[in-house]
Amino acid sequence: DQQVKQNSPSLSVQEGRISILNCDYTNSMFDYFLWYKKYPAEGPTFLISISSIKDKNEDGRFTVFLNKSAKHLSLHIVPSQPGDSAVYFCAANPSGTYKYIFGTGTRLKVLA
Amino acid sequence: DAGITQSPRHKVTETGTPVTLRCHQTENHRYMYWYRQDPGHGLRLIHYSYGVKDTDKGEVSDGYSVSRSKTEDFLLTLESATSSQTSVYFCAISGGGNTEAFFGQGTRLTVV
Repeated sequence: DQQVKQNSPSLSVQEGRISILNCDYTNSMFDYFLWYKKYPAEGPTFLISISSIKDKNEDGRFTVFLNKSAKHLSLHIVPSQPGDSAVYFCAANPSGTYKYIFGTGTRLKVLA
Repeated sequence: DAGITQSPRHKVTETGTPVTLRCHQTENHRYMYWYRQDPGHGLRLIHYSYGVKDTDKGEVSDGYSVSRSKTEDFLLTLESATSSQTSVYFCAISGGGNTEAFFGQGTRLTVV
């Protein structure tokens, strides 16, 4: 049973516009959420995170929003750049554990 | 970059043979993880470790075993490799708490 879901396998956005990547989760015991970016033939790299006590966290062009009542997480990238083209994974950390549960990923393509 | 080294980076092996993948860290992090990445499945946790000689199963642990005899090394063994274990394997480390995990570059394993 997939506890962290990314329902859009792919997304294309024009350079300079906003990219919105979505993630849904089913486990209300998740208390920490993360986004990772992955280029081909490389390991995932950490982008941004958010604790369940917050609803927004911003770092430069990247903002993560958390809606606990809807069990929904989103990553906004503004403005999108061609170098942002990659696979993005959301991940969640169940309270009291040190495991990271990942979604299936969304491939973002930013068109120049 | 976090000090994580995976070896080997690529391996081709025959069905039924044992295979061991190595993860070495220089960060002195307590937590270490093995994930596999497959199309349509994202990153799935195989096993993780929360200290020397302390390990636990993840989502897809069947057919795999791990060992951690030193803080810096976490070994993943495929006891008898099968074609379904053809995948890209990633090691990750974490300091625990609400912090991010850092990933290695990955090992591409092909079982023929």
